[in-house]
This record gives sequence, structure tokens and C-alpha cells, in this order.
Amino acid sequence: QSALTQPASVSGSPGQSITISCTGTSSDVGGYNYVSWYQQHPGKAPKLMIYDVSKRPSGVSNRFSGSKSGNTASLTISGLQAEDEADYYCSSYTSSSTKVFGGGTKLTVL
Amino acid sequence: QVQLQQWGAGLLKPSETLSLTCAVYGGSFSGYYWSWIRQPPGKGLEWIGEINHSGSTNYNPSLKSRVTISVDTSKNQFSLKLSSVTAADTAVYYCARGRGVVVPAASSRWFDPWGQGTLVTVSS
Repeated sequence: QSALTQPASVSGSPGQSITISCTGTSSDVGGYNYVSWYQQHPGKAPKLMIYDVSKRPSGVSNRFSGSKSGNTASLTISGLQAEDEADYYCSSYTSSSTKVFGGGTKLTVL
Repeated sequence: QVQLQQWGAGLLKPSETLSLTCAVYGGSFSGYYWSWIRQPPGKGLEWIGEINHSGSTNYNPSLKSRVTISVDTSKNQFSLKLSSVTAADTAVYYCARGRGVVVPAASSRWFDPWGQGTLVTVSS
């Protein structure tokens, strides 16, 4: 199984909105509404931010939102804050009953 | 609130077997899938495999021949064994709870929460 494709880096200024894309195939992202997103700060374990494409766990800011179109899922962060600077990973369930991650995107808050 | 605590050997020689254990505290052990995920230094995440309380497993095809995940429900623990390790297996290894069971595929959809991570280094 091949890793999902994410941009290596994105950046934005405080208060702005950014979007991170996650592209897969019809066997993973496109075939199921089972995409999740994780935030990872340096030296820390990943934290769940979005599951099932667009659902937000309790305690996660509503500035984080998810969507999907075809084989591409997206994570949007609005009202960027300094604390949002981190690495972000998407993950998808696959037709083989496995999970696959994206390569990760480094978000820089300018 | 469920917490995952993991442990295991941090330094291995090539060809040895990696062994890690993850204990689950403060929550139900059944009804979830329990996963292992790794992250090589400076690189992205890689899913290794998962197991449920009854021992049903799913593995990453690229690692399947070397991986065994087992469960001890009496202790609310699950374990990872990875055989014949090489330098390419050097990574931080995380355990995680898999949620959102996919029926009838018997798998999970997302990971929450995660353990603290264990750095495993393979070096001669």
C-alpha cells in the first residue's frame, strides 16, 4: 500500500486560514468516509483532530474542519494561531482492512 | 479517561527481535482495536498492525512476514514482536487505541489516544 500524498509544507499568518490536502485512491480515501487527521508537535505523540472525514472529537477547537472530494481529503484550519504550528498527518482505512498514513505536512505559522 | 503506557527494549542489534508491550488503563479493553504505529526519525507515520480483544489481527502487508501482535486480556495489555530487525526498523514506536469498528471487515477507523512512544534503535 502506498502512502497518501500530502504537501511537505504549508504556511500562513496568524488569523488566516490554511488547507492541507491528502490524496489517495479509490481503494482508500475515495472509497470510504474513513479519513482521520492528526496533529503532532515536536517530541510528542500524535493527537486526533478529525475522524470520519469531518467529525471533531470533544475538546478539539472548531477552527479545525475536514472535508473530502473524490480521492482527496482536506483539513482546514481557520483563525491560525501560533500553537497550531505542528506536523499534520492524514490517515485512511483501506479496502484491505488496513490503515495508511500520509507523508505529513509541516505547518509554519509566520 | 483511558491511558496507554508502553515499554520495551530500546537498543537492538541487527537480526534480533523487537518486543514492546502496551498497557491500557482506565477504560474498557474490549470493543476496540489496538494498534502499533511507528515513526522513523524525521519521517512520517507507518501503521504496523492491530488486534482486538479476541485476538483478531490485521497487519501492514509490507511488514506482515515479520510482525506478530498478541493480546493478554487478563492484564489489559497487547504486545508487538518484530523479527529480524535492521537499521531500517529504527523508529519511535507508538501504541494506540483504534476506534470506530468497521463491520463486517473487523478493523478500526481512527486512533485515539496514543501511547507516549518508545524509541527503538537498531545498531551493531
